[in-house]
Amino acid sequence: DAGITQSPRHKVTETGTPVTLRCHQTENHRYMYWYRQDPGHGLRLIHYSYGVKDTDKGEVSDGYSVSRSKTEDFLLTLESATSSQTSVYFCAISVTGAGNTIYFGEGSWLTVV
Amino acid sequence: KNEVEQSPQNLTAQEGEFITINCSYSVGISALHWLQQHPGGGIVSLFMLSSGKKKHGRLIATINIQEKHSSLHITASHPRDSAVYICAVGGTSGSRLTFGEGTQLTVNP
Repeated sequence: DAGITQSPRHKVTETGTPVTLRCHQTENHRYMYWYRQDPGHGLRLIHYSYGVKDTDKGEVSDGYSVSRSKTEDFLLTLESATSSQTSVYFCAISVTGAGNTIYFGEGSWLTVV
Repeated sequence: KNEVEQSPQNLTAQEGEFITINCSYSVGISALHWLQQHPGGGIVSLFMLSSGKKKHGRLIATINIQEKHSSLHITASHPRDSAVYICAVGGTSGSRLTFGEGTQLTVNP
């Protein structure tokens, strides 16, 4: 599992509240990713990071922000959660990007009511 | 049209059958990944390919760069192979992956 942990694993929150998901890795990998997985869409990239304080938007970044102040932690924040953000969120890491094996966290199930 | 297309979307097989899952893509790639997702959500990397063929146990993955096509084969399938199999491609321009929607495989005893 390349030492990836996601927290929380399950969360129910109300519309309009802020939510932060944490991805923690223990092996100092450079590339970290946040994906969401929804029926009929597969995995879609929200944001990714090349390193500390170096992040970029993915294809579904609206309503999400990220921060990476330490190599080991990549935080995903929903500033004001909406029902459309109910999803399963996966963190992933890669040693050197798309050309190397990618490792996934166990997922965080988020329900916005 | 999605950049990564998988077929079939759903596949049901009897134990022992030979299984093939296909992945076609429309962009230039640096690598293609096959992933496995079991009920409960965990996603595991099976293969990363840039050319040719790789084998691990009963699983074989092939890629044809010219035809922009990859196949995942499972020999002597078993009920524990039941999972969603996902194809993902990494473009030549950076580190991002594009995913197919997955193939739901069910192997019955």
